[in-house]
Amino acid sequence: GESVGLHLPTLSVQEGDNSIINCAYSNSASDYFIWYKQESGKGPQFIIDIRSNMDKRQGQRVTVLLNKTVKHLSLQIAATQPGDSAVYFCAASSMMDSSYKLIFGSGTRLLVRP
Amino acid sequence: NAGVTQTPKFQVLKTGQSMTLQCAQDMNHNSMYWYRQDPGMGLRLIYYSASEGTTDKGEVPNGYNVSRLNKREFSLRLESAAPSQTSVYFCASSGLLDYGYTFGSGTRLTVV
Repeated sequence: GESVGLHLPTLSVQEGDNSIINCAYSNSASDYFIWYKQESGKGPQFIIDIRSNMDKRQGQRVTVLLNKTVKHLSLQIAATQPGDSAVYFCAASSMMDSSYKLIFGSGTRLLVRP
Repeated sequence: NAGVTQTPKFQVLKTGQSMTLQCAQDMNHNSMYWYRQDPGMGLRLIYYSASEGTTDKGEVPNGYNVSRLNKREFSLRLESAAPSQTSVYFCASSGLLDYGYTFGSGTRLTVV
């Protein structure tokens, strides 16, 4: 079956540095991708999304890069802050699937060192 | 505040007991979803409802049933709880996929 996986379960970075969280997906039909942030005791929150007709999308301090050739996407967080400490999930879906089901990766915990 | 509301937030059940997790959204979304989250395994889809009046199985439907009561409400029922169903359960809704899902704050369920 299709799967979405993250490369590292935990990432530790120094406050102020840039963070890069990676994700791989298996389904070539996936054409819509989302990054979520989950803080302790809360539900996942939408960060940024990207469609397969793009290879880069920028938000406020965050950038998502998509490489369809190797089925890989990454989330870059600039100038990482203590408030960025959370678990980050990537998720994939197909716009052809009218149910809009999202398949989630297992998550990467981002730890920000002061 | 607009969003997805789940009740209860916490629940402890004995093996074999039944219960229903409630979920309601006020964003006029068509699609609603139930996920469970276990340590190190991300979120796994239990059931979903693409639109009012329809429900379908996700990755891990065994031991669960759902009801899409109306456009706003989507409930998840455990008929005979098992320790393997100890998890955090999230309800989510979606309108246009461009905006992703909106998640509730979760129900932490422990089955002893």
